[in-house]
Amino acid sequence: AQSVAQPEDQVNVAEGNPLTVKCTYSVSGNPYLFWYVQYPNRGLQFLLKYITGDNLVKGSYGFEAEFNKSQTSFHLKKPSALVSDSALYFCAVRDRTYSSASKIIFGSGTRLSIRP
Amino acid sequence: DTAVSQTPKYLVTQMGNDKSIKCEQNLGHDTMYWYKQDSKKFLKIMFSYNNKELIINETVPNRFSPKSPDKAHLNLHINSLELGDSAVYFCASSQRGRGFSGANVLTFGAGSRLTVL
Repeated sequence: AQSVAQPEDQVNVAEGNPLTVKCTYSVSGNPYLFWYVQYPNRGLQFLLKYITGDNLVKGSYGFEAEFNKSQTSFHLKKPSALVSDSALYFCAVRDRTYSSASKIIFGSGTRLSIRP
Repeated sequence: DTAVSQTPKYLVTQMGNDKSIKCEQNLGHDTMYWYKQDSKKFLKIMFSYNNKELIINETVPNRFSPKSPDKAHLNLHINSLELGDSAVYFCASSQRGRGFSGANVLTFGAGSRLTVL
């Protein structure tokens, strides 16, 4: 069964500093990997995804994520944090089977707090 | 125009009542989902429909019944509401496909906050 773990409930970073939000996954074969962001009282918004190819994926709002197959990780990063990045971030995984029952599984979420 | 719209946004009701949440998407997607987000923000899939066919049905009480009249709509009806049903329910849609296009991105609605008293 596939699963995804976000080991940190909360990450606190000063504005202008680099940030990392961690994600590890477990899935049979090669995964599709995603990051979504949720602002207060809003639905989740897509940030970026890994399909294949370059292990460094660039996404919206200056975020990027690095796929590491040996460590089964897909950490979200940004070189310089903004206060407006404060939100709840979800990592998600989906296997590559062609079954219509294949589904996207979300991690438990990490609350990112950027202090001015 | 809102891509995925849910109504109502807020729903407060008594235990034992029956309620429905409606969802519509105007993206032309062929797959729709219901997710439940609990008070700890954990997001769990409940149901998924592809072209009006139920394809994912997680371990959800029979009191929850999804209905998809067409591929642009997915409604959720809940019978005999219980305190534990209080949560935010998110509708989402995507376009399925094979190969790399199978890395389908979900587009979420803004959520429907259900409070059972």
